[in-house]
Amino acid sequence: NAGVTQTPKFQVLKTGQSMTLQCAQDMNHEYMSWYRQDPGMGLRLIHYSVGAGITDQGEVPNGYNVSRSTTEDFPLRLLSAAPSQTSVYFCASSYSIFGDTEAFFGQGTRLTVV
Amino acid sequence: AQRVTQPEKLLSVFKGAPVELKCNYSYSGSPELFWYVQYSRQRLQLLLRHISRESIKGFTADLNKGETSFHLKKPFAQEEDSAMYYCALGWGNQFYFGTGTSLTVIP
Repeated sequence: NAGVTQTPKFQVLKTGQSMTLQCAQDMNHEYMSWYRQDPGMGLRLIHYSVGAGITDQGEVPNGYNVSRSTTEDFPLRLLSAAPSQTSVYFCASSYSIFGDTEAFFGQGTRLTVV
Repeated sequence: AQRVTQPEKLLSVFKGAPVELKCNYSYSGSPELFWYVQYSRQRLQLLLRHISRESIKGFTADLNKGETSFHLKKPFAQEEDSAMYYCALGWGNQFYFGTGTSLTVIP
C-alpha cells in the first residue's frame, strides 16, 4: 500500500523561484492537509482541504497556494520562494474529521531555499 | 485559539525506567487529543488518541480536563521507544501540534 506519497524528497531552490510540492494518496480520503516542520516549532498547518474543490488556510498560509482538483492529489505551490520557507513539509490525509480518525502522513519533503 | 505545550524538548531515561512526556493544552471546547510519534528516518504516525482510551506499545495517556493535560506515560521504557513525540489537538485534517519532545532511552 502506497498510502501518502510526496515528491520530491529533497529540493534546493534559489530565492524567487517557484515550485510545486506534490502529494498523492490512494486511500480515497476526503481530508488532506499540509504542514511544515521547523526546529523548535513542531508542525504547523499551512493549508487543508475537506474535499475536491474545497480548500482553506491554516496557521501559516502566507507564501503558499493550494488547489484540490481531485480526491487523490493536493499539491502545494510556492510562487516565489524565500529563505524563510526552508523547512520540512509534510502532507497528511484522513477519512474523517472526527476524533476517532487517524491522519496518515507522507515521508516529507526537505526544502532548502538559498 | 488552540494551543498545545510540550515543556520538554529533550528527555532521557534509562531502559526499564518509567517515562512521562508532558502535554498541556488550551482549548475552549471539548478537545480531541492525540500523540504522534516519529522514529528515526520514518514518517510521523499515530501512537494513540484519547477517545479510544487505548494502550499502544505500553504507552497510555489520560485526558485530565481539570489540569488541561494529556501526558504520555509508560512504566518501563525500552530502547526502541527512542523517538520524537508530538502531542496534537484537533480533528481529521486539522491538527495543532506541540513543539515535540525527543525521547532517548539509554541502554
